[in-house]
Amino acid sequence: DGGITQSPKYLFRKEGQNVTLSCEQNLNHDAMYWYRQDPGQGLRLIYYSQIVNDFQKGDIAEGYSVSREKKESFPLTVTSAQKNPTAFYLCASSTKGNWADSFGNGYTFGSGTRLTVV
Amino acid sequence: AQTVTQSQPEMSVQEAETVTLSCTYDTSESDYYLFWYKQPPSRQMILVIRQEAYKQQNATENRFSVNFQKAAKSFSLKISDSQLGDAAMYFCAYRSYNTDKLIFGTGTRLQVFP
Repeated sequence: DGGITQSPKYLFRKEGQNVTLSCEQNLNHDAMYWYRQDPGQGLRLIYYSQIVNDFQKGDIAEGYSVSREKKESFPLTVTSAQKNPTAFYLCASSTKGNWADSFGNGYTFGSGTRLTVV
Repeated sequence: AQTVTQSQPEMSVQEAETVTLSCTYDTSESDYYLFWYKQPPSRQMILVIRQEAYKQQNATENRFSVNFQKAAKSFSLKISDSQLGDAAMYFCAYRSYNTDKLIFGTGTRLQVFP
């Protein structure tokens, strides 16, 4: 079945450590996204990539980094510079191309990673 | 920049009754999509319904329907015959014609009582 796989489901990080969250999709989607979800704040965009080897900052990119070396993969690294990393992280993907077809389907989401700083 | 506002942090409804969740948005674009997503306790995001801005007819999906008022920039979700399984967080979202970004509201937590 096609979909998006995020791993791990739960992740614990010590202060000062970098951690990487995995996101893999087999939907042949061009675009991929990372969102952060905090209580009462909805989903906020961290980074997004519309094509391999290219990505753009979202609204809250500070303290995060990404790479897009393969179409299927868009890992997110939470660096030690992120002061408050405890949150739920969602990865998503979408098609590009015809506006009426691709945009109307919204996004496909992964099941998320819960990151906790200990 | 576009923004999405959900002014109801929490709502509750009796089973089999009807409830309406509010959403307003701000944009200068004329073409865009609007969505309602459901996030149950599993935290999986599920697309509930979508609306194309160029369509005047309100979208309907079984028990879910929207009231889309383009001039007022309002996009409310009506859930009819509410079921216990409808209990979840509901997010309103805007997708710009000019970018790939999906912009979310802060969500409304819906409780359904038997």
